[in-house]
Amino acid sequence: DAGITQSPRHKVTETGTPVTLRCHQTENHRYMYWYRQDPGHGLRLIHYSYGVKDTDKGEVSDGYSVSRSKTEDFLLTLESATSSQTSVYFCAISAYDTQYFGPGTRLTVL
Amino acid sequence: DAKTTQPPSMDCAEGRAANLPCNHSTISGNEYVYWYRQIHSQGPQYIIHGLKNNETNEMASLIITEDRKSSTLILPHATLRDTAVYYCIVRVDGEGAQKLVFGQGTRLTINP
Repeated sequence: DAGITQSPRHKVTETGTPVTLRCHQTENHRYMYWYRQDPGHGLRLIHYSYGVKDTDKGEVSDGYSVSRSKTEDFLLTLESATSSQTSVYFCAISAYDTQYFGPGTRLTVL
Repeated sequence: DAKTTQPPSMDCAEGRAANLPCNHSTISGNEYVYWYRQIHSQGPQYIIHGLKNNETNEMASLIITEDRKSSTLILPHATLRDTAVYYCIVRVDGEGAQKLVFGQGTRLTINP
């Protein structure tokens, strides 16, 4: 599992509230990613990071921000959650020409 | 990155070989073919990847046609635990971020 953990694993929140999801890795990999997955769809890239304080947007970045102040942690923030952001969120790291994924966070926005 | 086409679903009997096809007719010379699978609601799991030669590891074999426009993932002796959605992805390897583009994949069901 490449030492990837995500927290929380499940969260229910209300529309308009801020939410932060955390991805933690134990092996100092440079690249980290956040994806979301909705029913009937493959994963879609939200944001990624190529180093401390270095991040860039992915395919579906609107409504999300990220931060990486330490190599091991990559945070995904929903500044004001909306029902359309109800999804399963996966974090990933790059290692040896492939990606390894975390267990996911199931977020429900009511 | 090139687009891939996979059948939406397939069935296979337990113990038999499962052969999952993928078309990538617009693949470029420097793009690799990657396979991942996702079991139920877990995070995707890397299976195998290759450029133009056939590849084999402990999980599966990857057969890429000579013109590289299609490939087949082979699970030699499928078990019930191989029931999953399988994704075929093509991308360029090397330095930089790996921005994977997932399609709908193939839902493989292994039947007892």
